[in-house]
Amino acid sequence: DAGITQSPRYKITETGRQVTLMCHQTWSHSYMFWYRQDLGHGLRLIYYSAAADITDKGEVPDGYVVSRSKTENFPLTLESATRSQTSVYFCATWTGKNTEAFFGQGTRLTVV
Amino acid sequence: GENVEQHPSTLSVQEGDSAVIKCTYSDSASNYFPWYKQELGKRPQLIIDIRSNVGEKKDQRIAVTLNKTAKHFSLHITETQPEDSAVYFCAASSWNAGNMLTFGGGTRLMVKP
Repeated sequence: DAGITQSPRYKITETGRQVTLMCHQTWSHSYMFWYRQDLGHGLRLIYYSAAADITDKGEVPDGYVVSRSKTENFPLTLESATRSQTSVYFCATWTGKNTEAFFGQGTRLTVV
Repeated sequence: GENVEQHPSTLSVQEGDSAVIKCTYSDSASNYFPWYKQELGKRPQLIIDIRSNVGEKKDQRIAVTLNKTAKHFSLHITETQPEDSAVYFCAASSWNAGNMLTFGGGTRLMVKP
């Protein structure tokens, strides 16, 4: 199916573990973003990518790593998870041409 | 880079009343201003957008106005209904900022029946 998908939808992990959240799109949109949304708060940009092999930091990048070797995939890795990284993570894609940005379903991550 | 501020952070209205959410942006080169609605437990989805060559756009009960001189834009919802209750996000994109899409902090709208 065309679109943007995130996996897993739900994840519980322990403090100190490495965890990777996946984001896949079928449109070949240039831009991809990772946001975190804490309960009752807005969207905070973690990292974004304007094209394959081009990534840049957003507002809250500490503790996260991204890569984009292929246009369609934009994984987000928490190198050593902390409780403060408990959040809902949204991936989004955008053409960069003043059209709609599309969000994935979100991944609810709990760090215990 | 671009900075988008959104007010109010929460808004409570009576069913049938109008609701207005305002956003200001910092980069005068911004040229695209979308609004997203996020229902509880769901992903944000586009509800309306406006480009810098237009001052107002309407779609049924929702409208967006843009004042480029003052660098602010607003979302207007008329005849509010309980299903309008959600978090609304404004955003702006600017070529100066590498064509980034920058979001405001969100407004939680509650429509009381």
